Amino acid sequence: KQEVTQIPAALSVPEGENLVLNCSFTDSAIYNLQWFRQDPGKGLTSLLLIQSSQREQTSGRLNASLDKSSGRSTLYIAASQPGDSATYLCAVVQGGKLIFGQGTELSVKP
Amino acid sequence: DGGITQSPKYLFRKEGQNVTLSCEQNLNHDAMYWYRQDPGQGLRLIYYSQIVNDFQKGDIAEGYSVSREKKESFPLTVTSAQKNPTAFYLCASSMVSPSGYTFGSGTRLTVV
Repeated sequence: KQEVTQIPAALSVPEGENLVLNCSFTDSAIYNLQWFRQDPGKGLTSLLLIQSSQREQTSGRLNASLDKSSGRSTLYIAASQPGDSATYLCAVVQGGKLIFGQGTELSVKP
Repeated sequence: DGGITQSPKYLFRKEGQNVTLSCEQNLNHDAMYWYRQDPGQGLRLIYYSQIVNDFQKGDIAEGYSVSREKKESFPLTVTSAQKNPTAFYLCASSMVSPSGYTFGSGTRLTVV
């Protein structure tokens, strides 16, 4: 059974710092991997989608990488801002379903 | 603008009552999903549907029911058989050959 783990569970950084969020999965037979952002009490906003044949995707200050062979993905956030404070969720697509990690709660302090 | 609409945003239910959560999408997506989110447990899949008039159970389907009579709509009924229904419910959609999932803004259900 696929299991997705995100480390750390919570992270607090000062504004301007570059940071990395980690995601690991136990079964490398995934269709794709998607990173989401969730603000308190809100739905999920898609940040980046990486197809299984791709190694990375970039959008603005965000860069996500995928290494299927090692079962790992990272989300890199450059020059963090207080507005980046949210919970970040990693999810893999397998068997037509999206399987989530438990998220990393990020706090960026001014 | 295309997207997913969930209603209502907040819902209160008395014990023993059934309640239905609405999910509508205008993205022309084939597949739709219902997830439940509890603090500290992440998102868990309740039901999903890849085509009209067909749906499959997810990991925690007991106490829930769904229908898919139209491509655009995938309502979720929380029945009285669901022992702990208080949670945040999220609906999502995607193409069957997924180019990514789109989520609604959620419905917070509280049993009073």
